[in-house]
Amino acid sequence: AQKITQTQPGMFVQEKEAVTLDCTYDTSDQSYGLFWYKQPSSGEMIFLIYQGSYDEQNATEGRYSLNFQKARKSANLVISASQLGDSAMYFCAMRGLNSGGYQKVTFGIGTKLQVIP
Amino acid sequence: EPEVTQTPSHQVTQMGQEVILRCVPISNHLYFYWYRQILGQKVEFLVSFYNNEISEKSEIFDDQFSVERPDGSNFTLKIRSTKLEDSAMYFCASSVNLRGPSTNEKLFFGSGTQLSVL
Repeated sequence: AQKITQTQPGMFVQEKEAVTLDCTYDTSDQSYGLFWYKQPSSGEMIFLIYQGSYDEQNATEGRYSLNFQKARKSANLVISASQLGDSAMYFCAMRGLNSGGYQKVTFGIGTKLQVIP
Repeated sequence: EPEVTQTPSHQVTQMGQEVILRCVPISNHLYFYWYRQILGQKVEFLVSFYNNEISEKSEIFDDQFSVERPDGSNFTLKIRSTKLEDSAMYFCASSVNLRGPSTNEKLFFGSGTQLSVL
């Protein structure tokens, strides 16, 4: 079984500051992937960043970076230089395999980020 | 970038009625998914579909739900007899492009269908 845990229901950050959104996971798979998605108030799911379990380097995409600590089973999202448009719900997700060997993607409950001017 | 398209964007129905939510996944993807999200809550997995059959379904996906890929392009979710608690945003997603690089692992989401059951 795989599980994603996001323990911060809500976060505030000052504009232009950096913020870290926590995500821990649990899986028995050797090969898996970790994602972060952003969901603004308009409702769409926007892909931000992906980290594969065998990737040695932490993933980065512009202002987004993923702090991947495999031994701790954590995949925290770091947003640098926060902007007002970053205010949204953020979901951590994991791709693994189910008992039948098929791909399975599980989402955490999300963290609501509010950027303060 | 290729897109997953969902129709309709909003659907209003009476309790007990059947609804069909439609999705056109990205054409060379292999996995298709339905998720739902009750307003302000988490994204809940409903079902995944691979090689023309269900590869996994959640406890939510009971006998009232079914999925179909009728013509090789559409991927539909049917709710036979809607209940009030089925009101939610339903997201379709697709993934795994074997023709692309192995790092192309993300789920591509559609923009969702907001279902309101009255």
